[in-house]
Amino acid sequence: EPEVTQTPSHQVTQMGQEVILRCVPISNHLYFYWYRQILGQKVEFLVSFYNNEISEKSEIFDDQFSVERPDGSNFTLKIRSTKLEDSAMYFCASRTGQVNTEAFFGQGTRLTVV
Amino acid sequence: AQRVTQPEKLLSVFKGAPVELKCNYSYSGSPELFWYVQYSRQRLQLLLRHISRESIKGFTADLNKGETSFHLKKPFAQEEDSAMYYCALKRGGNTPLVFGKGTRLSVIA
Repeated sequence: EPEVTQTPSHQVTQMGQEVILRCVPISNHLYFYWYRQILGQKVEFLVSFYNNEISEKSEIFDDQFSVERPDGSNFTLKIRSTKLEDSAMYFCASRTGQVNTEAFFGQGTRLTVV
Repeated sequence: AQRVTQPEKLLSVFKGAPVELKCNYSYSGSPELFWYVQYSRQRLQLLLRHISRESIKGFTADLNKGETSFHLKKPFAQEEDSAMYYCALKRGGNTPLVFGKGTRLSVIA
């Protein structure tokens, strides 16, 4: 069964450094999402992406964040200058976009900013 | 704004006992409601959605618009049901999911 895959599974970075989290959505899916979950808190929406552009973003998704689909298969989340509070589990999800279809989630990348 | 509330952080039940995981939502429109489950060391996966009105792994959930609730129920809990359960709401179409904080269900043998 096709899966959304995310790399790396765990990333440790120093405060102020740039990180890129990678996701490979399911191949026939058209809608892509990033969510994050700070330890002990709820899963929060960051951004959705369709047709090579952002379709919706939350207030968390500020200028430090950007997303890209550089090669038609990968879907990346970049954090330009990481802060301690960016430490979280980051989940990628994708959907076909057809009515009443579910979002499939990746296994997540745990980002630790030190 | 949409909000999903799961009042219980942890729910422990004995094997064979009934389970009810509570979920309340606030949204002025017609929401789509979902339950996602995350077993230990696995990814979030869809358990069921209100629109399908189906039973998955013995779980059911009924959307009660009057009480703005979508509680998840199972008559007889099994040990393999132990997991994190997240209630989620979608405005419709391809809009993103809004999650509750989750309830950890622990089924004791």
